[in-house]
Amino acid sequence: SQQGEEDPQALSIQEGENATMNCSYKTSINNLQWYRQNSGRGLVHLILIRSNEREKHSGRLRVTLDTSKKSSSLLITASRAADTASYFCATDYGQNFVFGPGTRLSVLP
Amino acid sequence: DTEVTQTPKHLVMGMTNKKSLKCEQHMGHRAMYWYKQKAKKPPELMFVYSYEKLSINESVPSRFSPECPNSSLLNLHLHALQPEDSALYLCASSRGPQGTEAFFGQGTRLTVV
Repeated sequence: SQQGEEDPQALSIQEGENATMNCSYKTSINNLQWYRQNSGRGLVHLILIRSNEREKHSGRLRVTLDTSKKSSSLLITASRAADTASYFCATDYGQNFVFGPGTRLSVLP
Repeated sequence: DTEVTQTPKHLVMGMTNKKSLKCEQHMGHRAMYWYKQKAKKPPELMFVYSYEKLSINESVPSRFSPECPNSSLLNLHLHALQPEDSALYLCASSRGPQGTEAFFGQGTRLTVV
């Protein structure tokens, strides 16, 4: 079953621009995580935000969490061609990571 | 060592074959996972092992059989698969079942012919 839903599903931007991806979820969560997947490869963990946190930064990444709206956003600033990948939010409840459908980001040089 | 190693990277098997996928981690993680991912779709959970015991089986057909021989190893035994089982199979591990990041292997690309 899918818990998170990303928006948009596909995004194309120019190098240097910012990319914003949104994620909505349905039930209460312990935390929310964002992962990146390069084409056909494994997923790489980017950032984890706990349910009692509202914002978190890691390098060029900024994640926000609004538990009242059951939504999160991932902002990548000053994008690079190497940021081209699929990005998934994952909600964590019980012993299960449930992934949203993902956003395919293309950063054009 | 923060790696999860999966073998083989690619596997082609016939519908009558028996094969196994292997996953190994040496991070001392006590939760290990198998996910199935179809093209342009998110990973879907298949099995969770917690402290070497199967804790979640997401209604996976019996032609997929997981095994956790010890805390570092996770196998997925395959038998009598169907062409629609062709997918990327991902193994992951995490320190515990909740509130921690998951580390993923690079996956096994399985093709059933």
